[in-house]
Amino acid sequence: ETGVTQTPRHLVMGMTNKKSLKCEQHLGHNAMYWYKQSAKKPLELMFVYSLEERVENNSVPSRFSPECPNSSHLFLHLHTLQPEDSALYLCASSQLGGTEAFFGQGTRLTVV
Amino acid sequence: QKEVEQDPGPLSVPEGAIVSLNCTYSNSAFQYFMWYRQYSRKGPELLMYTYSSGNKEDGRFTAQVDKSSKYISLFIRDSQPSDSATYLCAMNENRDDKIIFGKGTRLHILP
Repeated sequence: ETGVTQTPRHLVMGMTNKKSLKCEQHLGHNAMYWYKQSAKKPLELMFVYSLEERVENNSVPSRFSPECPNSSHLFLHLHTLQPEDSALYLCASSQLGGTEAFFGQGTRLTVV
Repeated sequence: QKEVEQDPGPLSVPEGAIVSLNCTYSNSAFQYFMWYRQYSRKGPELLMYTYSSGNKEDGRFTAQVDKSSKYISLFIRDSQPSDSATYLCAMNENRDDKIIFGKGTRLHILP
């Protein structure tokens, strides 16, 4: 275990559903990230939270909405997704100025 | 040109062989270079971390950075079946900058 826990591990949702992905870290880190990993594509950075403030939004569609209520928790709220949004969604955390990002095991999302 | 290029493989080698994994990049401002390993159904984990040019060795793993050629490599000696995974190169300009990842290379070590 890396200290970063993601739930659920698997999620199947229809295009009209609303769901949320959860990420929790107990490493005392002050930065958290959402990444999308699709087949045959590089890891894509979606959102960055530094000291609980969103510092980066990589042109992600508004159907993805992040929330960081405190330094240990990060959510990704999903609504009206498209089939092409099916992917592995990875959460990561790091200490600002540190050298390593710790990843969770990911949520495998399938949009039907 | 993509920022980071990495051959997705798959790469299959017999157990005990030396494995060479490579990435090229276009941004000469990258200074921090990383290799992550990702097992099936897991998130990536940091394997090696280097700053600027040069070599770094950790057990059976050696990371090389050639900034003049914008080329980085990861060598695995005496490869084991447990080394079978996807290896992602990653880099950034400064420690707090976003990390740019390659696509990852799938590696199979055949017993």
